[in-house]
Order: sequence, then structure tokens, then C-alpha cells
Amino acid sequence: KQEVTQIPAALSVPEGENLVLNCSFTDSAIYNLQWFRQDPGKGLTSLLLIQSSQREQTSGRLNASLDKSSGRSTLYIAASQPGDSATYLCAAVEDDMRFGAGTRLTVKP
Amino acid sequence: GAVVSQHPSWVICKSGTSVKIECRSLDFQATTMFWYRQFPKQSLMLMATSNEGSKATYEQGVEKDKFLINHASLTLSTLTVTSAHPEDSSFYICSASAAGPIIYEQYFGPGTRLTVT
Repeated sequence: KQEVTQIPAALSVPEGENLVLNCSFTDSAIYNLQWFRQDPGKGLTSLLLIQSSQREQTSGRLNASLDKSSGRSTLYIAASQPGDSATYLCAAVEDDMRFGAGTRLTVKP
Repeated sequence: GAVVSQHPSWVICKSGTSVKIECRSLDFQATTMFWYRQFPKQSLMLMATSNEGSKATYEQGVEKDKFLINHASLTLSTLTVTSAHPEDSSFYICSASAAGPIIYEQYFGPGTRLTVT
């Protein structure tokens, strides 16, 4: 059974810093890996989807990488802003979608 | 495109009553819909998968008689929490896929906060 772990559970940084969120998964036979953003009391917003054949995807200040062999993905956020404050979830997709517990990010002005 | 709505966004009900939550795909046909629940500061846990016109498939440990799922059309699935109890209080999120039961992309609804008093 796929298990997804995210480290750290919480992160607080000053505005402008670059940061990395980590996601690890136990079964490398995934179709893709996705990163989501969740604001408090809200649903999920899809940020990036990396197909199993890809190594990274970029969208604006976000860059996600995937290393299937080691069972790891990272989400890199450049020049963080207070508006980036949210919980970031990764999900490994096989025949269903397994989520990590998320990283709660706070970006302080 | 690919918008999924949920109704209501929040609901408070008394213990022992039933609550229905709707999930709609607004601009695409969803052959498969998924229901998740999320406890505070925890991840989403898949409860069940439903395909239009057929019975839902429930994850292990999820009571199918308590959480009734109906996927009567390609744009609507409902989750009914029967005889709700305070421990059912949670955030319920649905998602929809046009790609069938093998999931490549799911589009998530905004969630429904259920509080059982």
C-alpha cells in the first residue's frame, strides 16, 4: 500500500526566501505525482502535475521535481510571498490517489 | 474549465439526523467521482469511488450503510451521512474525473464542513 510522507510538517520563513518542500512515497510504480495547495477550510487547488516519465515541471515561481527511483519529489518555491501561506499537499497517483499529510507554510512579511 | 462544486459548503446538524452533500461537475462529464474526508491537520483519506450508474466502491473501514453514495448522472454524485454522530464531524471533499477509474487527473470541489452537535 502506497504511503506518502511530507517533511517538514510546518515551515515558517520570512518573505523573499526560497524554500523546498519534500514528499516521499514508498511505491515507485506511480502514474504521476501532483502538488496541491489548500487554504484553511478550503478545497484543493492543483499546482503541478508531473507524469512518471518526467523529471520536473515548472509554473511561475514553482518548480516540482520527481525522482521515481528514490521515491521522492520536491516542490521549490522561489521568492516566497505572504500569499503563498497555505498547506501544500503532494499526492502519488497509481490506481487511486494517496495524499501526504501536508506541509503548513507560513511566509512572514 | 473543469470546475467541481459542492453544496452545502458547511452544515451543522444534530446527532442522529442525516445529511446530504452534493458534488457536481459543472463543465464536464465525470465518469468517476471520489469522496474524501479530512480531519484537522491531517491528509485527505479516500472514502469511496463511484462510477455513474453503478454502486460505489468503499475503502476498507468505511461503513457503506452509514455513508451512502449515489452517482445518478455524469454530473452529480451525492454523499449522505446517515444517523450522523459527532465523530462524523469532518471536512468532506469530492473530486471528479473524466478519465474513468484509473486516475490521471482529478478536479476537486471546495469541500463541505460538517459539524454534528
